[in-house]
Amino acid sequence: QVQLVQSGAEVKKPGASVNISCKASGYTFNIYYIHWVRQAPGQGLEWMGIINPSSDNTIYAQKLQGRVTLTTDTSTSTVYMELSSLTSEDTAVYYCARGRYELVLNDAFDIWGQGTLVTVSS
Amino acid sequence: DIQMTQSPSTLSASVGDRVTITCRASQSIGGWLAWYQQKPGKAPKLLIYKASTLENGVPSRFSGSGSGTEFTLTISSLQPDDFATYYCQQYNSYSPWTFGQGTRVEIK
Repeated sequence: QVQLVQSGAEVKKPGASVNISCKASGYTFNIYYIHWVRQAPGQGLEWMGIINPSSDNTIYAQKLQGRVTLTTDTSTSTVYMELSSLTSEDTAVYYCARGRYELVLNDAFDIWGQGTLVTVSS
Repeated sequence: DIQMTQSPSTLSASVGDRVTITCRASQSIGGWLAWYQQKPGKAPKLLIYKASTLENGVPSRFSGSGSGTEFTLTISSLQPDDFATYYCQQYNSYSPWTFGQGTRVEIK
């Protein structure tokens, strides 16, 4: 079935970087955008960025510009999200999610990964 | 950025109740609005897109309406499985995509 499977929980120290993977299966990987969304404990959803797996074109949230990088590995149908210079405010569950229609930017998110908890603590 | 404001923040209701959640956008977004349901420890689940189109497999007791800046999600007869947090999301202005702050539906 169509699914996104993310890598496991991470514990990082302030100032470090984290790299989370999101492996797609059950559909043609390179014709759907992949978004990243995070959710701090007890808080709402915050959009982080989007990548076009066929071109590697990206758009990032202005708040995270310079700290977040999205990449793809089409050979394994995997998207990676790297977040650098971590602080305690980056402690959150990170989700990848698929755009609902083929390569349509203004789109809802129909398939979500299970989430990856990143804890930033000294 | 387009701001999305949901009301109420928390809603107490009983099984069988009709429930309505409102989402307002800070500027017109046409019909480019989605609703998601999230249960504790789980990823959000898409319920409705394009303001009123039900995602495949979503029960027909869920419905959405609205356009421009004001939207509603209605659950016609609340079921035990529906106690969760609901988020609206605009995708008209796609940088950034923005969510409402969430509405928690709890048991009365």
